Amino acid sequence: QVLLVQSGTEVKKPGASVKVSCKASGNTFTGQHLHWVRLVPGQGLEFMGWINPYNGVTNFAQKFQGRVTLTRDTSITTFYMELSRLRSDDTAVYYCARGSDVGWLDPWGQGTLVTVSS
Amino acid sequence: SYVLTQPPSVSVAPGEAATIACGGTNIQTKTVHWYQQKPGQAPLLLIYHDTRRPSGIPERFSGSNSGSTATLTISRVESGDEADYYCQVWDSTSDHPVFGGGTNVTVL
Repeated sequence: QVLLVQSGTEVKKPGASVKVSCKASGNTFTGQHLHWVRLVPGQGLEFMGWINPYNGVTNFAQKFQGRVTLTRDTSITTFYMELSRLRSDDTAVYYCARGSDVGWLDPWGQGTLVTVSS
Repeated sequence: SYVLTQPPSVSVAPGEAATIACGGTNIQTKTVHWYQQKPGQAPLLLIYHDTRRPSGIPERFSGSNSGSTATLTISRVESGDEADYYCQVWDSTSDHPVFGGGTNVTVL
């Protein structure tokens, strides 16, 4: 059973970048994609992008294109999401989640709170 | 891109049934998944492939997808079911998941 463990809380200033990690443990990572989704306070879940663990191909929601970078290490156990040019409205909890080949997301990481404040 | 519409909130008395609708164009042709998210917790897959429950999810949670709406039903609602519930499909045009806006369930 794969378990996804994310890095800890981050506090950043506007204009800075943040890099969140997501480590898969318990078993070799299997799955079609590794997704990144965020929950902004008072809003719903928002898809940001996915990365194919095996070939590194990525796909992003239009809103985040040019501002998000998704990578993984060569052992395919740790994944990274870097968000640049942070704004106050990027304050959110960021989740990674494994994507199945039929489109559902399971399991999810525990979430990483990123606060953007001057 | 594809849009999923959910009611913002649903209120239900303990022991009654709660139904949460998820609407989208030709949604019956898509495969719908549902998630439960409690405050401070990560989303939990509740229903996948329209009607299937992952191991460990109580039978009180059921899903359907027909006509113009997908539906999540929570039978015999308990106070512990208070949470936000999201539907999700895969948008083949953009090749990524799409989430509904979420429905907050309150147990009276």
